[in-house]
Formats: sequence, structure tokens, C-alpha cells
Amino acid sequence: DAGITQSPRHKVTETGTPVTLRCHQTENHRYMYWYRQDPGHGLRLIHYSYGVKDTDKGEVSDGYSVSRSKTEDFLLTLESATSSQTSVYFCAISAWGAEAFFGQGTRLTVV
Amino acid sequence: GENVEQHPSTLSVQEGDSAVIKCTYSDSASNYFPWYKQELGKGPQLIIDIRSNVGEKKDQRIAVTLNKTAKHFSLHITETQPEDSAVYFCAASMGNAGNMLTFGGGTRLMVKP
Repeated sequence: DAGITQSPRHKVTETGTPVTLRCHQTENHRYMYWYRQDPGHGLRLIHYSYGVKDTDKGEVSDGYSVSRSKTEDFLLTLESATSSQTSVYFCAISAWGAEAFFGQGTRLTVV
Repeated sequence: GENVEQHPSTLSVQEGDSAVIKCTYSDSASNYFPWYKQELGKGPQLIIDIRSNVGEKKDQRIAVTLNKTAKHFSLHITETQPEDSAVYFCAASMGNAGNMLTFGGGTRLMVKP
């Protein structure tokens, strides 16, 4: 398995609270991604990073922000969680922008 | 942007039979097409991929075919086994820097012993 660790693996939070999910990699890959997975929608890209401090928006970026201060860490922040952000979140990494490898996921429930 | 459609959404086969999952894409600029297998409670696992300069690729019991003219690609699993039961996702991208994957909606494959 690719060296990707997501934390936490499960989280329940209340509407309106901030939440940060962490993705940590040991592969020194350049590209990192955050996807969300919802029934019937497959996986949809939230944000991605192509280097330290270099990030860009994906298909469903509203309500999310990201930061990458080190090659190995990519943080996803929900500034004020809403029930529509209840989902399973996956981090992925890629060395040169082709083959992408996924972490085990974080199940987030917003109540 | 790219749109990927995947069919069927569920597929049930008898052990030993073949399974075929089909995807279509909309952006003719897409040139990289991976397939992922996701088991319950786990992240998607890359099982095979194909690039637009190749029409077919095989890896043991798994094969992928690509028809660029028709903009569709398929996953073929032969001699299915119970451990093949999972959700399978197709995806498409331009395979360049950033490689933003657009995923299909997934196919739940059930292999009955």
C-alpha cells in the first residue's frame, strides 16, 4: 500500500463547527488530492496540490479550504461544517500526475 | 468539463463467469483511463489503467479496452472469484500535470459462489 495516512478515520461534529482533516504521505509525491465520496456520485475532487503552498480548486470546492506547508502533509478544512458535508473523504497522492493512490478515508458526520 | 458515465450500477455473476463494466467519457482530450476497485471500508485501489495510444491492456484475469473514436472504455474480468466482489470505478483524465480524475458513478459487482 502507498504510504498514506488519513486522520482521523471517523469524526462526528456539529453544524457550524470548524473541522480539519489531515493527510500524511511518506512517498515524497508531488501531487496530493482531496476527494469526497457520496452514494451515486462516485468520487469528486475538492482541492488538489501540485507542490508546497501550491493548491487549486476542484469540482466541489465551495465550503472547503486546504493548506500544504510541507510536502508530506495536506490539510482539508471545513470552516463551518454543514450537513451537506457529511461524506467520506479520501486523500490521494501521485508522483507525476498520472497514477493516483488513495488513502483509507475519513468518515465525517455533521449533525 | 469531463463527464464519465458508468454502467451497470450493479452486476451479479456466477463464480467463474465473466464480468464486463462499461464507461463513456465526453472530453476527447482525455487520454488516461484508470480503473479502481474499492472494498468495503477501504480506499479505492488502482487495478489497471490504459492510455490513449493503446487499444487493449491485460493483467492476468483483468483486461481493459479503449475505443477513442466512440469515447468508451471497458473493464473485463474473466473467471470471476468471490474475492472480486467489490465496487469498481472507472475514471478519465488528461494524464498531465495535476491529473484531475473524473470518476464514473461506480459498479457494485457481486460474484456468487
